[in-house]
Amino acid sequence: AQSVSQHNHHVILSEAASLELGCNYSYGGTVNLFWYVQYPGQHLQLLLKYFSGDPLVKGIKGFEAEFIKSKFSFNLRKPSVQWSDTAEYFCAVNPPGTYKYIFGTGTRLKVLA
Amino acid sequence: SAVISQKPSRDICQRGTSLTIQCQVDSQVTMMFWYRQQPGQSLTLIATANQGSEATYESGFVIDKFPISRPNLTFSTLTVSNMSPEDSSIYLCSVEAPSTSTDTQYFGPGTRLTVL
Repeated sequence: AQSVSQHNHHVILSEAASLELGCNYSYGGTVNLFWYVQYPGQHLQLLLKYFSGDPLVKGIKGFEAEFIKSKFSFNLRKPSVQWSDTAEYFCAVNPPGTYKYIFGTGTRLKVLA
Repeated sequence: SAVISQKPSRDICQRGTSLTIQCQVDSQVTMMFWYRQQPGQSLTLIATANQGSEATYESGFVIDKFPISRPNLTFSTLTVSNMSPEDSSIYLCSVEAPSTSTDTQYFGPGTRLTVL
């Protein structure tokens, strides 16, 4: 079955620390990949997406993600986090030609000021 | 992108009753989706609602429990019927809208449902 794994359920960092959140998927074909963020009290927002081309994707607020096809991974990174990055982050996979999004379980990030 | 609103934002309901959740989008869209996010779990797709046709349900979800309406291209409703405490979840509406390079799903703020 298609699945998406986010191994880090809770992450606590100090401001200015570097961030990397893991995302692995099990789908064997070509996929579209997404990271969504949910800030406290707000709804899910698109952070960035990959559909083709350069495997290093840059999103909003200084986030980036790298698609590594051989590892079935799409890890999210930010070189220096801020207190305002405190949120829950969701990885999602969408196989082309389908409407279905398969979500990971999410990673709660807490950034200490 | 698309701006999506949901009503109610939260509700507390008694076992055995039903609740209808509304989803309104600011532009016409073909595909609307309903998701459930149970406590501590991931988002799970309940069904896809296309205007003019019956909703398509995912495995484990049935129309009798989660009837859906899609009367036009900007509106949909999801009813949670004969509720039990296990239905306590956040219910999210999403739409597929054009975005740079590929269509993307955008999400509403969710409806937090507690069933006593």
